[in-house]
Amino acid sequence: DARVTQTPRHKVTEMGQEVTMRCQPILGHNTVFWYRQTMMQGLELLAYFRNRAPLDDSGMPKDRFSAEMPDATLATLKIQPSEPRDSAVYFCASGLASGGDRRQFFGPGTRLTVL
Amino acid sequence: AQTVTQSQPEMSVQEAETVTLSCTYDTSESDYYLFWYKQPPSRQMILVIRQEAYKQQNATENRFSVNFQKAAKSFSLKISDSQLGDAAMYFCAYRSAGPEKLTFGTGTRLTIIP
Repeated sequence: DARVTQTPRHKVTEMGQEVTMRCQPILGHNTVFWYRQTMMQGLELLAYFRNRAPLDDSGMPKDRFSAEMPDATLATLKIQPSEPRDSAVYFCASGLASGGDRRQFFGPGTRLTVL
Repeated sequence: AQTVTQSQPEMSVQEAETVTLSCTYDTSESDYYLFWYKQPPSRQMILVIRQEAYKQQNATENRFSVNFQKAAKSFSLKISDSQLGDAAMYFCAYRSAGPEKLTFGTGTRLTIIP
């Protein structure tokens, strides 16, 4: 049963520390998305990739956030330095850019708490 | 930019009854996709049902069906024979035919009353 995996599932850190979240998309999927969920903003897109190339990162604070896909099986989201307002659940999702039914499959999320 | 509106922050329904969750959206595009996602307390995002805008027939998945009104830009979710396991947050989402990103509504929290 193919699924998106994310690590870590939970992360507690102190303000100013670097945080790295990892995502393994479903094998064969060529689009990868990072979403953030907070009580105030709801679910919002941070960045997404197609064939490992970044297509849209307009939702991401550029000064502290960075997203990369070192290879087709790994996507990373890094926050440096972290701030309390970054506390949220971060979801990774993957899908197919064309063909198929346009579904996005979500990982279980990383719950980040910045103290 | 597209927007998705869910006007019901909370809904409740008696077990075995039917409930309808509302969603409206704003777009100037003619080709797009609409989705309903379920988020139980585990926080996992689970796809419930999807609808392609070019299809006139409403999508159905077992007890879940949609009422898609393209002209009115409305996309409601009907859950029949509600079960305790249906209790969750439900999010309506929009996707363009082009860019693959999803735009979500604010969600509706559904409570099932035994």
